[in-house]
Amino acid sequence: DSGVTQTPKHLITATGQRVTLRCSPRSGDLSVYWYQQSLDQGLQFLIQYYNGEERAKGNILERFSAQQFPDLHSELNLSSLELGDSALYFCASSSLINEKLFFGSGTQLSVL
Amino acid sequence: EDKVVQSPLSLVVHEGDTVTLNCSYEVTNFRSLLWYKQEKKAPTFLFMLTSSGIEKKSGRLSSILDKKELFSILNITATQTGDSAIYLCAVSNNGRGGADGLTFGKGTHLIIQP
Repeated sequence: DSGVTQTPKHLITATGQRVTLRCSPRSGDLSVYWYQQSLDQGLQFLIQYYNGEERAKGNILERFSAQQFPDLHSELNLSSLELGDSALYFCASSSLINEKLFFGSGTQLSVL
Repeated sequence: EDKVVQSPLSLVVHEGDTVTLNCSYEVTNFRSLLWYKQEKKAPTFLFMLTSSGIEKKSGRLSSILDKKELFSILNITATQTGDSAIYLCAVSNNGRGGADGLTFGKGTHLIIQP
């Protein structure tokens, strides 16, 4: 158990809908990262937060947004969902910026 | 843009064999290279390497980094079926030029047959 908690574990929804994925980092970790993993693309970095502030953006679509709250948990919002958004979404946390990451178990999103 | 290339993409060996997984990279302001093992869901941390030539070992697994040639290898000796997994290589930059977390390779899918 990495100490990073993600909910829900599975999510099935229809195209055009909006979903929210939730992540609680390890106790004491200030950095939260979101990754998307699909079979053909591997693990793709989406966005990073550090102590409530957005620190870096990767290949995140405009339809996607995220935030980190004062209690350090983070949410990833995916809207206007398309079939191609079906993937495994991971949250990870670390105590230092860009150092060893600890991953949650992921949310498997299926868009039908 | 940082880049990580792993090879092979897939590898099937028999239990007891020794395997070598490769990772080459291009990264601005290199900080560290990390290896992860992904079995069912969450990638789990194996090694972090920051200096060239210093081998990291954990049981049957070992890894070494060559910062001059920009690659790393992960060795697994006396493989067991429990070693079957996707092995991910990632690099991090020092966060000053553009803090974008870790850049991952697509992984090597290792299958150990009994």
